[in-house]
Amino acid sequence: GAVVSQHPSRVICKSGTSVKIECRSLDFQATTMFWYRQFPKKSLMLMATSNEGSKATYEQGVEKDKFLINHASLTLSTLTVTSAHPEDSSFYICSARGSGDRYFGAGTRLSVL
Amino acid sequence: QQQVKQSPQSLIVQKGGISIINCAYENTAFDYFPWYQQFPGKGPALLIAIRPDVSEKKEGRFTISFNKSAKQFSLHIMDSQPGDSATYFCAASKNTGNQFYFGTGTSLTVIP
Repeated sequence: GAVVSQHPSRVICKSGTSVKIECRSLDFQATTMFWYRQFPKKSLMLMATSNEGSKATYEQGVEKDKFLINHASLTLSTLTVTSAHPEDSSFYICSARGSGDRYFGAGTRLSVL
Repeated sequence: QQQVKQSPQSLIVQKGGISIINCAYENTAFDYFPWYQQFPGKGPALLIAIRPDVSEKKEGRFTISFNKSAKQFSLHIMDSQPGDSATYFCAASKNTGNQFYFGTGTSLTVIP
């Protein structure tokens, strides 16, 4: 099946720093990518929808200035958590559509100290 | 409002048994119903998906049963194995490119 690569898989940072997470579709072009946040033992919560070449669409309650999304090409979308704080610690997952189905990255575990 | 309701929250099955997870949806416009398997610390992996034009789809030990009139669909795992122990999420969407509505997840444990 289609592959979505997400990097890094784990990041630990100090409070106040910014963290960038990359999501790549390896064998298909993704005009739309999705970013999710998942809390322990909970379902996936959609944060934003990223369209190549245009501004991302954020879900209600998600701060667009805190979670910057860039979809510069058909195979790459990035999520930057700016001025991260401990409450931003979570599991972040990207998703893209390929071959008619939706595929997910392996996720990024962000821990903010 | 929860668009997709999933049950049970957790499930324990003996090795070789059948695991059954159920989902119900509200929006009749949904036309794509996938199931995802997630291991701890990993992203969800597509397991099997169905569209409403068929009532059942089977791939290996995994079967989706779909009841359009009842707005329900279920995942059956035959001959369950300890390696199947994971969290399973159902989802629904209006075609694959649009927003997915996920169920709350089912933690499956298969005991040897």
